Amino acid sequence: QVQLVQSGAEVKKPGASVNVSCKSSGYTFTGYYMHWVRQAPGQGLEWMGWINPNSGGTKYAQKFQGRVTMTRDTSISTMYMELSRLTSDDTAIYYCVRDLSDFWAFDYWGQGTLVTVSS
Amino acid sequence: QSALTQPASVSGSPGQSITISCTGTSSDIGGYNYVSWYQQHPGKAPKLMIFGVTNRPSGVSNRFSGSKSDNTASLTISRLQTEDEAHYYCSSYTSSGTLYLFGSGTKVTVL
Repeated sequence: QVQLVQSGAEVKKPGASVNVSCKSSGYTFTGYYMHWVRQAPGQGLEWMGWINPNSGGTKYAQKFQGRVTMTRDTSISTMYMELSRLTSDDTAIYYCVRDLSDFWAFDYWGQGTLVTVSS
Repeated sequence: QSALTQPASVSGSPGQSITISCTGTSSDIGGYNYVSWYQQHPGKAPKLMIFGVTNRPSGVSNRFSGSKSDNTASLTISRLQTEDEAHYYCSSYTSSGTLYLFGSGTKVTVL
């Protein structure tokens, strides 16, 4: 069965960077685009960008360009999301999600990683 | 570009039908058939309920259906059940720089 398992919760100081990992299993890792979505406490969902695990190509939402980097390691079916220059507004649950090809829809979600930014 | 517009809350009694609207523009909902709907229970990750405007993933109840007219998409839940109480988010691809938008979210309450 498809599983996306993310790394554990992080606490960071303002100005620092955070790196969240997402390990995929149960399907061909390079066969599906992957995205990152975040959700601030009590708020809605926000799309951050996608990565093509096959080529490593990426596309980021304008809001995060220059601050986010998405990478992958195909040898261990894992992708990574690094967000830099953190502020308190970046406090959120970060989800990795699999793209249901051709529909811009997310059929599998990781369990989420809480990132707290606090001085 | 700001989020797609959804009503903050919708309620209904068990067995009734409810409809949640999601309003965008011709650059997103009106221009593409890439509308999806997600259900989120408290403390859980969202779950895909509808994709491509009208399609249900395997395992999703046929009580859930989606549609679109012009710049507004809708999710209808028929024969409402207590387990349907959750937040619901619409989403769409957009030709704007944002590329992908979620709705503001709707809290569904089963009375």
